[in-house]
Amino acid sequence: EIVLTQSPGTLSLSPGERATLSCRASQSITNNYLAWYQQKPGQAPRLLIYGASSRATGIPDRFSGSGSGTDFTLTISRLEPEDFAVYYCQQYIDSPRTFGQGTKVDIK
Amino acid sequence: QIHLVQSGAELKTPGASVKVSCKASGYAIITYGLSWLRQAPGQGLEWMGWISADNGKTNYAEKLQGRVTMTTDASTNTAYMELTSLTTDDTAVYFCARKTATFDYWGQGTLVTVSS
Repeated sequence: EIVLTQSPGTLSLSPGERATLSCRASQSITNNYLAWYQQKPGQAPRLLIYGASSRATGIPDRFSGSGSGTDFTLTISRLEPEDFAVYYCQQYIDSPRTFGQGTKVDIK
Repeated sequence: QIHLVQSGAELKTPGASVKVSCKASGYAIITYGLSWLRQAPGQGLEWMGWISADNGKTNYAEKLQGRVTMTTDASTNTAYMELTSLTTDDTAVYFCARKTATFDYWGQGTLVTVSS
């Protein structure tokens, strides 16, 4: 199965700052079949990005995804208070679908 | 508006089974596949499998093969996930989610606690 490794584990930032989250795959993810989700405590995850760089419906343009092959990045250009959460990457090129272990973005 | 509404929390003893429901509204369940995922306390997300509601085809995570069964009822627009031979390691919040590749709509989650 494809193992996804996210870094850093925790990112401590202030509102207005830029957040850069990394997701590295154990093998190449063809067709950029890589998604990103946001999860807040007590809530279900929310799809942010699919196809490595396409924003899901209703997602603000401060969220952007990039990358290809084995290295992918989620960038939040300017953190809003509601963006402090845990972020997961997920691959869907292969079964089983797998997720990274998550990056927590918390308030500095 | 698309919603997935799951059944309520469950408390089970080791060795028992649990069946969680997921009722869809705002779209016909047969038009998309439906996936099940779970999240143990304080842990990340684990994919359990999916079902294609139009033909009943399923794809289960290897570690759950033989213990998990996913079904759908088109007449009530509802999906079900049954997990048997529960152990304490199965304690988690269980989610249903629309689609089988990316997951664009999610249920609210069902807490299943396995404890003696």
